[in-house]
Amino acid sequence: EPEVTQTPSHQVTQMGQEVILRCVPISNHLYFYWYRQILGQKVEFLVSFYNNEISEKSEIFDDQFSVERPDGSNFTLKIRSTKLEDSAMYFCATTPEGTSYEQYFGPGTRLTVT
Amino acid sequence: RKEVEQDPGPFNVPEGATVAFNCTYSNSASQSFFWYRQDCRKEPKLLMSVYSSGNEDGRFTAQLNRASQYISLLIRDSKLSDSATYLCVVRNSNYQLIWGAGTKLIIKP
Repeated sequence: EPEVTQTPSHQVTQMGQEVILRCVPISNHLYFYWYRQILGQKVEFLVSFYNNEISEKSEIFDDQFSVERPDGSNFTLKIRSTKLEDSAMYFCATTPEGTSYEQYFGPGTRLTVT
Repeated sequence: RKEVEQDPGPFNVPEGATVAFNCTYSNSASQSFFWYRQDCRKEPKLLMSVYSSGNEDGRFTAQLNRASQYISLLIRDSKLSDSATYLCVVRNSNYQLIWGAGTKLIIKP
């Protein structure tokens, strides 16, 4: 069964550094999403991406964050100048179409900012 | 009022018992409703969508009451493997998924 993959599984970085989290969507999926889950808290929507542009973003997704699909396969989330409060699990999800009911989640990247 | 609100947990339940989860949502324009399951430090996985007429999948039954903006999930004959956090999720008109904080379920032998 096709699945969404994410790398790395765990990223440790120092405050102020930039990180890039990578996601490989399921091959025929067209809509991509990033979510964040701070330990012990609820899942939070960050951004949705379709046709090489952002379709929706939340208040969390400020200028510190950016997304792109650099090579037609990977879908990346870049966090610039990381802060301690950016420490969280970051999940990528994809769907074959925007109106699809099911979003397929990757296993997540645990980001630890020290 | 929180956008999606769930019972606080955890629920400690003996194996074989029936468990009910409740959820309310604030946005009457919400379009779709789901229950996800999340194991500790794992990604959320879709358990079932919730349809207006109610739907059942094996031991799991989901109900939706649009007038009361209320969603429920019933698990019958609970198994040890049902232990997880159950997340109520609502999709708004912008296709964003809005997540509840989840209710942790612990099934005891």
